Parts: sequence; structure tokens; C-alpha cells
Amino acid sequence: DAKTTQPPSMDCAEGRAANLPCNHSTISGNEYVYWYRQIHSQGPQYIIHGLKNNETNEMASLIITEDRKSSTLILPHATLRDTAVYYCIVRVRGTDSWGKLQFGAGTQVVVTP
Amino acid sequence: EAGVAQSPRYKIIEKRQSVAFWCNPISGHATLYWYQQILGQGPKLLIQFQNNGVVDDSQLPKDRFSAERLKGVDSTLKIQPAKLEDSAVYLCASSLVGGGQFFAKNIQYFGAGTRLSVL
Repeated sequence: DAKTTQPPSMDCAEGRAANLPCNHSTISGNEYVYWYRQIHSQGPQYIIHGLKNNETNEMASLIITEDRKSSTLILPHATLRDTAVYYCIVRVRGTDSWGKLQFGAGTQVVVTP
Repeated sequence: EAGVAQSPRYKIIEKRQSVAFWCNPISGHATLYWYQQILGQGPKLLIQFQNNGVVDDSQLPKDRFSAERLKGVDSTLKIQPAKLEDSAVYLCASSLVGGGQFFAKNIQYFGAGTRLSVL
């Protein structure tokens, strides 16, 4: 199973872009990269996912390197409400293809005024 | 659209007591998950249901934990007897589909969780 490596914490100034890195050097060709976040006292919230192309939605952008060994989640204009733990997850495809999510420790992002 | 509902939000029990958590998934979601999140760690999958059936319970401590999903909708997770190390947040999630060819579109929506303290 492909594992991910994220920095334990990072700070970001309100209104600036937040760039969250993730390494997944052992990712397989059919494994997707997912990002979730967890605001304090809430359940995780889906942000975005991708396979090889860059993706963008109303919450964030996902940039995946050409060799797929790393990716970056970009929050274009961070707000105080973006303070959360961000999880980068490689979607495990098991023998039964149920694709469970395996969460690591994530990156604690603190957005400061 | 209503999200995933869980109750209770908080529960305090003594070790060796039993406890049950309830989850009501998003309407129409076939797949339901229970996760355990210990303080400072990411959530860990305990059990996954596809409709009524269990498709993954490899990390469920079956000697003390049990779960059921009656009629493919609501689910309960039970711990009996509880140990100190069971203190955690128990999260329920649901998704429209499970795995197979649609697994990439399997977006899991989480409830707020039940915080369990075992004394």
C-alpha cells in the first residue's frame, strides 16, 4: 500500500495561498490521491481527489507531479476557517476493490490573522 | 441535504461497562463506515458495510466490538466490555457507492462523531 508523508504542521497568513505538500513515492498507477481536512471537533471533510491531472474545485486545487510521486494541495486564499488538520491519502485498492481510506497523522494548518 | 447523524455526542463510562453508538447515514447511501480516532491520530477504519453486509472488518476487535446495520440504513456500534484504551472519538461515515469500478467516486461524508471517555 502506498504511504504518504506530510509535514506535521505549517502556518499560513490569512488571505495568502496555502501550499500543502505530500509525498507518495510508492504510489501505483491506479491509485488516486485524496485530500480531506478535519476542523476541530468535527468529522473529516472531503476536499478533492485526482489521479494524474491537476484538479480544481470550489475549495482547492490539487497539483500532482508528472511522476506522481508527490502532490500539493493549494488553498488559494486562506481564511481563519481553514485552520484544520489536512490529510493526504492514497486510495488503497484492496483485493476486493473497496478502496478504504487510510488516514495518517496529517498536517496541522494554522491560519493566522 | 441532511448529513450523517450520530448520537450521542459524548459518553462517559467506567471500564467493563458497555456502550452503544448510533449512526444514521445520508439518505440513499449504500455504504457505511465506522472509524475510531484516538487523540492525536488520524481515523482508523473499524468496519465497512455495503447495504446490510460487512465487506471489511479486519481491524474490528471482535472480542469486544460489534456492529450491525439493520435494513441497510441505520447502524449501531457496540463495545462490551469497554477498556481504558477504547477512549476515542467514534466516527460514522457514508458514501453513495462502495468499491469496484466506482471506487474513485466514493466520497465519504462523515458525522461529527461520538467522544467516548472510559474511566
